[in-house]
Amino acid sequence: EDKVVQSPLSLVVHEGDTVTLNCSYEVTNFRSLLWYKQEKKAPTFLFMLTSSGIEKKSGRLSSILDKKELFSILNITATQTGDSAVYLCAVGSNFGNEKLTFGTGTRLTIIP
Amino acid sequence: DTAVSQTPKYLVTQMGNDKSIKCEQNLGHDTMYWYKQDSKKFLKIMFSYNNKELIINETVPNRFSPKSPDKAHLNLHINSLELGDSAVYFCASSLLGLGYTFGSGTRLTVV
Repeated sequence: EDKVVQSPLSLVVHEGDTVTLNCSYEVTNFRSLLWYKQEKKAPTFLFMLTSSGIEKKSGRLSSILDKKELFSILNITATQTGDSAVYLCAVGSNFGNEKLTFGTGTRLTIIP
Repeated sequence: DTAVSQTPKYLVTQMGNDKSIKCEQNLGHDTMYWYKQDSKKFLKIMFSYNNKELIINETVPNRFSPKSPDKAHLNLHINSLELGDSAVYFCASSLLGLGYTFGSGTRLTVV
C-alpha cells in the first residue's frame, strides 16, 4: 500500500524563524510529489515536484525532491503569522489514472 | 468563477438518513475525485472518475455511491448515514493527473 509520512506532526515557532517540513514516501509508480497548504477550507497548491535535485521556489517557500532517498522537504524562511496552517504532502501515482496519497500533515503555528 | 464547486458547504443530518453532495468543475478536466478528510486532517481518496468512468474505488462502504452524469459533474450519494461518516468531503479534479484542484469541501455532521 502506498504510504506518505510527514514530520513533524506539529511545529510551533516564532515569527521570523525558518522551518523545514519533511515528507517521505513509499509508492508504486511514482509520478509526482505535491505540497499543499490548508488553512480553513480547501488545500491550496504550493508546489509539484517530479525531478530530483531541482529546487522549486515561490517567495519565502522552497521545496526539493530526492527520488533516490524517497523524500522531500518544504522550507519556509522568515515565517509570518499568515504561514500558520496545515501543510500537506501528497504523492501522485499510476500514470493516467492519477490518485494522490496524502500524508497526515504538519500543523505549523507561528507565534507573533 | 469557482473552478471546483461543491454543494452544500455544510450538512447536518440524523443517523439513518440518505444525503447527496454535488460537485461541478468548469476547468475542462477529465478526472474527478472524492476525498474524505477526518477530524485529524487526514485526506484519503474514496473514488475517482475519468470521463464518466469509475477508475478508483478505494475501500469504501457500499452505502457510498458516486455518480458522474458527465465529465464536469461528480455527485456522492450516501445511504443510511452513520456517526462515523462525519467528516469533510472534498471534491477535486485534474487533467491527465495534472493541475489538481480541490473544491472548498462539504462538512458533514451526522447526529
